[in-house]
Amino acid sequence: AQSVTQPDIHITVSEGASLELRCNYSYGATPYLFWYVQSPGQGLQLLLKYFSGDTLVQGIKGFEAEFKRSQSSFNLRKPSVHWSDAAEYFCAVGAAGGYNKLIFGAGTRLAVHP
Amino acid sequence: DGGITQSPKYLFRKEGQNVTLSCEQNLNHDAMYWYRQDPGQGLRLIYYSQIVNDFQKGDIAEGYSVSREKKESFPLTVTSAQKNPTAFYLCATGSGITEAFFGQGTRLTVV
Repeated sequence: AQSVTQPDIHITVSEGASLELRCNYSYGATPYLFWYVQSPGQGLQLLLKYFSGDTLVQGIKGFEAEFKRSQSSFNLRKPSVHWSDAAEYFCAVGAAGGYNKLIFGAGTRLAVHP
Repeated sequence: DGGITQSPKYLFRKEGQNVTLSCEQNLNHDAMYWYRQDPGQGLRLIYYSQIVNDFQKGDIAEGYSVSREKKESFPLTVTSAQKNPTAFYLCATGSGITEAFFGQGTRLTVV
């Protein structure tokens, strides 16, 4: 069965520090992979997505993610975190077959210290 | 402008009462989805619909019902059979599995 694991429930970084949020997936075929961000009490906004091609994808707000098939990972990175990046981040995998849906990880809550 | 609208933003339900959450989109997407979000559990799929007059159960459909009479609308009813309805509910639209566009959510609380 398809699944997504985000090993870190909470992460705290200092403003200006680099960030890496981990995501591992289980999927039998070539996955469609996504990172979403959610501010408190709001919906989800797409940061970036990977379908095929270059395994390093660029997204909005200075985020990037790298697809590593051998490790079944799709980690999200940012070189320098801003206080406004504090939010919850969700990794998701697109699962086809019968119907199309997104399977989400449990999320990682990011706190940013000034 | 185009988008997806959920209403109300906050909803309170008494024990044994049915309530309906609204979701409207003008993105002309065929697919619409309802997710439930609880702290530490990510998003879980309740129901989805690929076309008008057709919908399928997701992973946690018990205690919920939906309809899809129009392409633009996909209301979710939380019935009295749902024993733990307090949660944040998110509606989304999409075209296939390319990506999903989310509404701003409805927070449902049992009082």
